Amino acid sequence: AQSVTQPDIHITVSEGASLELRCNYSYGATPYLFWYVQSPGQGLQLLLKYFSGDTLVQGIKGFEAEFKRSQSSFNLRKPSVHWSDAAEYFCAVMYNNNDMRFGAGTRLTVKP
Amino acid sequence: GAVVSQHPSWVICKSGTSVKIECRSLDFQATTMFWYRQFPKQSLMLMATSNEGSKATYEQGVEKDKFLINHASLTLSTLTVTSAHPEDSSFYICSATGQEYEQYFGPGTRLTVT
Repeated sequence: AQSVTQPDIHITVSEGASLELRCNYSYGATPYLFWYVQSPGQGLQLLLKYFSGDTLVQGIKGFEAEFKRSQSSFNLRKPSVHWSDAAEYFCAVMYNNNDMRFGAGTRLTVKP
Repeated sequence: GAVVSQHPSWVICKSGTSVKIECRSLDFQATTMFWYRQFPKQSLMLMATSNEGSKATYEQGVEKDKFLINHASLTLSTLTVTSAHPEDSSFYICSATGQEYEQYFGPGTRLTVT
């Protein structure tokens, strides 16, 4: 069955520290991959996406993600977290061109 | 570009009444729009997919007679929650497909049924 897994429900990091949010997917072929951020009570903002090509993708706000086919992973990283990065992060996978499924989300708390 | 709006941003209605939520693509034509539901501290769950001019495709477990979706034009889709009950209270988010199959999301509508 097709699925998206974000193993970490909640992560706390100190401001200025590095961040990695994990995402694994289950699918027979390479899907389209996305990371979104959601602030409380808000819609989703696209951070970055991967369709093909270079497996290291740069996004907005200093985020990047790396697609690893062998691990079926698409982990999100940021070298230095800012307090404004505190939010909910969703990994999403698009199957069959339009069918998008979301992971359960990872809530990021940033300590001062 | 690629902006999706939703109206209203929040709505309170009484149990038994119906409420309509609009989703508009402001600067592009969206042949496909999606409706999601999000419970507090949970992920987005796809409710239905709508294509302009045709009936919506509902996900398993979503009552199509309760959640009426109309996609009358390439820029507008509506979700009507009929005979709303408190358990329908949720955050409803729409999205529209642009280029490269990317979905652009609206800001969401918070529905509270009293």
